[in-house]
Amino acid sequence: DQQVKQNSPSLSVQEGRISILNCDYTNSMFDYFLWYKKYPAEGPTFLISISSIKDKNEDGRFTVFLNKSAKHLSLHIVPSQPGDSAVYFCAATSYNTDKLIFGTGTRLQVFP
Amino acid sequence: EAGVTQFPSHSVIEKGQTVTLRCDPISGHDNLYWYRRVMGKEIKFLLHFVKESKQDESGMPNNRFLAERTGGTYSTLKVQPAELEDSGVYFCASSPDRVKAFFGQGTRLTVV
Repeated sequence: DQQVKQNSPSLSVQEGRISILNCDYTNSMFDYFLWYKKYPAEGPTFLISISSIKDKNEDGRFTVFLNKSAKHLSLHIVPSQPGDSAVYFCAATSYNTDKLIFGTGTRLQVFP
Repeated sequence: EAGVTQFPSHSVIEKGQTVTLRCDPISGHDNLYWYRRVMGKEIKFLLHFVKESKQDESGMPNNRFLAERTGGTYSTLKVQPAELEDSGVYFCASSPDRVKAFFGQGTRLTVV
């Protein structure tokens, strides 16, 4: 029973365009959401997060949107750069636990 | 500041053998986590230490897995005896609080 789902295993975007990565969750107890970026042979690196009391958080080229009623969040990268090519994991946690529940990841490829 | 360090980076062992993975967290981080990613699937929680105490070990697959954290510093994860399905990438993460975890580069374990 997967509580965090990333239904798109891969995404290909042209450099300079917007990349939109999606994530759905089922557990209404989740109160904090994170995006991690992972390059091959490296561990996941924290990218951006959002609390459930907000619907948007922005950090430079990265913006995360949260739609609690739809149990959906998305990561927008604009403009996309070739260095953004990596696997992106959505993760969630709830106030009564300290563990992260991850999705299966979306491989983003940004081409020139 | 040194990041989370894991040893070894790769390990290939035969079924039935024992393997011990080591994690050195970021200095001062009380929280230490072990996660595992199998065959390109989601990153799954294994267990969580707060200092030297096991806070949550609900993700440990079975009693062939034993984790310890000596004196609240480094941690080891022993698999004994290893089975084929234990193959995967084992990540260690540390955190000063309940949300933003910093991951090591992972140990790729292959059981043949």
